[in-house]
Amino acid sequence: EDQVTQSPEALRLQEGESSSLNCSYTVSGLRGLFWYRQDPGKGPEFLFTLYSAGEEKEKERLKATLTKKESFLHITAPKPEDSATYLCAVQADQAGTYKYIFGTGTRLKVLA
Amino acid sequence: KAGVTQTPRYLIKTRGQQVTLSCSPISGHRSVSWYQQTPGQGLQFLFEYFSETQRNKGNFPGRFSGRQFSNSRSEMNVSTLELGDSALYLCASSLHLAVQETQYFGPGTRLLVL
Repeated sequence: EDQVTQSPEALRLQEGESSSLNCSYTVSGLRGLFWYRQDPGKGPEFLFTLYSAGEEKEKERLKATLTKKESFLHITAPKPEDSATYLCAVQADQAGTYKYIFGTGTRLKVLA
Repeated sequence: KAGVTQTPRYLIKTRGQQVTLSCSPISGHRSVSWYQQTPGQGLQFLFEYFSETQRNKGNFPGRFSGRQFSNSRSEMNVSTLELGDSALYLCASSLHLAVQETQYFGPGTRLLVL
């Protein structure tokens, strides 16, 4: 069964304490893996798209990487404003169309 | 450029009623997708519309339906509401079909069914 699993469910970091969030997936026909950030009461905000194993993308303190089974979102020297829920989503082939599966997210809290 | 807008932002309905939610995509975007977000299930894909045609559909009952107009604005309708339909309903727009495209989300409509 196609599945997207994010870990940990919640993470508390001190400001400046780097860490990584994990998104593991089991799908066939991967079309793309997406990372989003969601603040309370708001819609998800796009961060990165990764299309193939070995690909990496960076934006400010965030870096996303992709392997054939998982993706990591590395957060370097986080700040309190990085506190949010981080969602990962996978697009995969499905009988002439595609499916879009989201993980349940990692709730990140960065303490000053 | 204005972002994706959704109306209304909040709704309270009772079981058995029906509801219509509206979504205006970013100017120039032709695809609109709808999602349901609940604490237990997370974000789940409902359907995608492109050029006024439904192009993709998730695993939701027929009570959930949608349409898209010629200006790319979209509406979603839920008939015979159930308590379990209480959720945040999000729409997202993209330039083309959402496959491998960046999607931009609106703020959502929070629906409470009593």
